[in-house]
Amino acid sequence: DQQVKQNSPSLSVQEGRISILNCDYTNSMFDYFLWYKKYPAEGPTFLISISSIKDKNEDGRFTVFLNKSAKHLSLHIVPSQPGDSAVYFCAASGTGKLIFGQGTTLQVKP
Amino acid sequence: GAVVSQHPSWVICKSGTSVKIECRSLDFQATTMFWYRQFPKQSLMLMATSNEGSKATYEQGVEKDKFLINHASLTLSTLTVTSAHPEDSSFYICSAPREGGTDTQYFGPGTRLTVL
Repeated sequence: DQQVKQNSPSLSVQEGRISILNCDYTNSMFDYFLWYKKYPAEGPTFLISISSIKDKNEDGRFTVFLNKSAKHLSLHIVPSQPGDSAVYFCAASGTGKLIFGQGTTLQVKP
Repeated sequence: GAVVSQHPSWVICKSGTSVKIECRSLDFQATTMFWYRQFPKQSLMLMATSNEGSKATYEQGVEKDKFLINHASLTLSTLTVTSAHPEDSSFYICSAPREGGTDTQYFGPGTRLTVL
């Protein structure tokens, strides 16, 4: 049972445009959501998070949106840069443990 | 800089041998650490929660006799893959939340295990 799903395995965008990565979850007990970025053969790096009491959190070029009624969150990167090319994982937590989605590979073309 | 380290970063071993992976929190104490496993092009899967001073808590489907976890101190957790087989080849990652912090976790760089 996949509690956190990233249905798009890959995404390709042009440099300077917006990247939108999506994530859906099924467990209504999750109260904290995070996005991680991962390069091959490295551990994930924390990007941005959002608590369930908020619907938006912004940090520089990264904005996370949470729609609790739809159990959906998204990560917006604008403007996208070639260095953003990586695998992005969304994760959800309700008990301290993190449950990860499958990841979306983002490629930003120069 | 890195706040969680792992050693070794990669290891190749023969089938049937045991491999120990260390996870250290570098500038903070971690009463809890988490061990994940990632298969190629798949999600990070939580294997177990390592608890300092007590037994680890394993996720459903993870063999505790095969993946031995020891949380020896507030800065060190070890994962030992016993009698490794080729299907154990994977990327193993540990993480630790900051004491008193949020659910934000800091991840180690990972260990690539290849079993021949």
